[in-house]
Amino acid sequence: GQNIDQPTEMTATEGAIVQINCTYQTSGFNGLFWYQQHAGEAPTFLSYNVLDGLEEKGRFSSFLSRSKGYSYLLLKELQMKDSASYLCAVYNQAGTALIFGKGTTLSVSS
Amino acid sequence: ETGVTQSPTHLIKTRGQQVTLRCSSQSGHNTVSWYQQALGQGPQFIFQYYREEENGRGNFPPRFSGLQFPNYSSELNVNALELDDSALYLCASSREQGGETQYFGPGTRLLVL
Repeated sequence: GQNIDQPTEMTATEGAIVQINCTYQTSGFNGLFWYQQHAGEAPTFLSYNVLDGLEEKGRFSSFLSRSKGYSYLLLKELQMKDSASYLCAVYNQAGTALIFGKGTTLSVSS
Repeated sequence: ETGVTQSPTHLIKTRGQQVTLRCSSQSGHNTVSWYQQALGQGPQFIFQYYREEENGRGNFPPRFSGLQFPNYSSELNVNALELDDSALYLCASSREQGGETQYFGPGTRLLVL
């Protein structure tokens, strides 16, 4: 089966860098996704990793290590609007269902 | 915005009633997946539709059913509503089935009293 673990909450200040970790167990790996979800809104796609290494996209970067079952999302130059829940997800073996972690709630303060 | 739309945005029902939620997929996408998200939790997979056929189902009872139409829009039907069905229902579309990026609509918030 699949299992996703990520911290429940994190806090940081404006302008700082924060790293949100995610560990996963899956019987068949089809890629790892990060989504951002503001309160009361839908998840918004941030990044997709299927090969080991770092993917950079503006202020956000995502890293994957398939051998360790580990990923992180790195947010640089934090802004107040980055306060949100960050969801880590992997596909099930059939490639149909995204299996989500419970999400990490990030609070950015000034 | 993703181009995925859902209706209605909010809905209040009572126990035992039935509800139909609707989703229009992003242009060019033929696969629609439905998720239930309870407060403080990650989305839970209900089922996926690909080319009008159910293409995978999560751990939800048969009173959760769905349809996909030739234009790839989709419906989620829930019969015999229970209090625990109160949640945000999310629809996501993808270009194809099988490991593609899923793009979410704004969701329908259902409250069962």
